[in-house]
Amino acid sequence: QKEVEQNSGPLSVPEGAIASLNCTYSDRGSQSFFWYRQYSGKSPELIMFIYSNGDKEDGRFTAQLNKASQYVSLLIRDSQPSDSATYLCAVNGRGNNRLAFGKGNQVVVIP
Amino acid sequence: NAGVMQNPRHLVRRRGQEARLRCSPVKGHSHVYWYRQLPEEGLKFMVYLQKENIIDESGMPKERFSAEFPKEGPSILRIQQVVRGDSAAYFCASSPPIGGQNNEQFFGPGTRLTVL
Repeated sequence: QKEVEQNSGPLSVPEGAIASLNCTYSDRGSQSFFWYRQYSGKSPELIMFIYSNGDKEDGRFTAQLNKASQYVSLLIRDSQPSDSATYLCAVNGRGNNRLAFGKGNQVVVIP
Repeated sequence: NAGVMQNPRHLVRRRGQEARLRCSPVKGHSHVYWYRQLPEEGLKFMVYLQKENIIDESGMPKERFSAEFPKEGPSILRIQQVVRGDSAAYFCASSPPIGGQNNEQFFGPGTRLTVL
């Protein structure tokens, strides 16, 4: 079982719609959860972090964490063409500082 | 307010040569991480260092790869006798001294290594 899984294929959403991305993780003791955005050929950029169950909102982004289900999600409201990128879910495991990344989900926002 | 700096941004080496990748963390950050991203694959952790100490090298290949973060100067990832399979983007990240639950890591622009 992979540490962090992002299974959905590329996601196409019309401009102004909500993009929803999901991520599951295997280590029940994981403590911190991150969403990074990576444009093609660029480095990952931290956009959200969450470590408590529930929702955390920052502008058009909302991260949701459910530790019982080992599930973290990212919602992008009012999607813009500039949101077109690959979104990486990352998890900080118990007792270590390294981040385990999922393979990422590509989001394409169609004007 | 400079972020994480990496150089060179692009590096071309022939098989058997050495590659040295440098990383200067965000000012005030004392923790440095190296990750590798192979084409069509996710980011993979390689090593975590603090000044003069390797804390976790569980993701480093056992041979040819080494890393250091000296008291003065940047962190260095060194790859000896490079092979074509080493071609990848190598990212450095840094974080402030760890406190509480958060471990926000900020990434540099990466070094894209091409082995001919």
